[in-house]
Amino acid sequence: DTAVSQTPKYLVTQMGNDKSIKCEQNLGHDTMYWYKQDSKKFLKIMFSYNNKELIINETVPNRFSPKSPDKAHLNLHINSLELGDSAVYFCASSQTLPPGELFFGEGSRLTVL
Amino acid sequence: GENVEQHPSTLSVQEGDSAVIKCTYSDSASNYFPWYKQELGKRPQLIIDIRSNVGEKKDQRIAVTLNKTAKHFSLHITETQPEDSAVYFCAASTSGDKLTFGTGTRLAVRP
Repeated sequence: DTAVSQTPKYLVTQMGNDKSIKCEQNLGHDTMYWYKQDSKKFLKIMFSYNNKELIINETVPNRFSPKSPDKAHLNLHINSLELGDSAVYFCASSQTLPPGELFFGEGSRLTVL
Repeated sequence: GENVEQHPSTLSVQEGDSAVIKCTYSDSASNYFPWYKQELGKRPQLIIDIRSNVGEKKDQRIAVTLNKTAKHFSLHITETQPEDSAVYFCAASTSGDKLTFGTGTRLAVRP
């Protein structure tokens, strides 16, 4: 059973398009996250939700909008995609806010042409 | 906010040798320091973590040391094996706050 699953695994799209990535965790965790990993492998937190409530919103452009319909799901919608959005997006969950282990999904590689 | 620096960015060692990766953090309130390993094309996974009330922690061939005064912590891998080749990330956080990652170290273990 996959603990944190995200879809799709690969996205290739044109500049200006809108795309969504979905994430689900079956670990019963309260906290979920979106991280962005760029080509240099830097891992940067974008958003964090705790029990469906947004608790961390880093300096991310408004084109990125997370949504948590319930505590097991956290989706990411990106409007008006730009070349610089190309990256691997990782969803993660933890039992509670740090300190505690993060369980990452497999990642969604987004390529904007 | 927290800033975590990690060195070196790349490290190449001979199989069987030891590898050491060092990180420094800026926020003296940070109290949780995990290390994640990311194999090529895979997700990051926790390999070891340490809390601020402990100076050292070991798990088989890996160990982490923490110097709170100097605000730095290190990962030590002994008897390296080819399967240790990966990118390693340190991280730091305070209770209830986000985890800030270092910039990663690409470790290559030469057979």
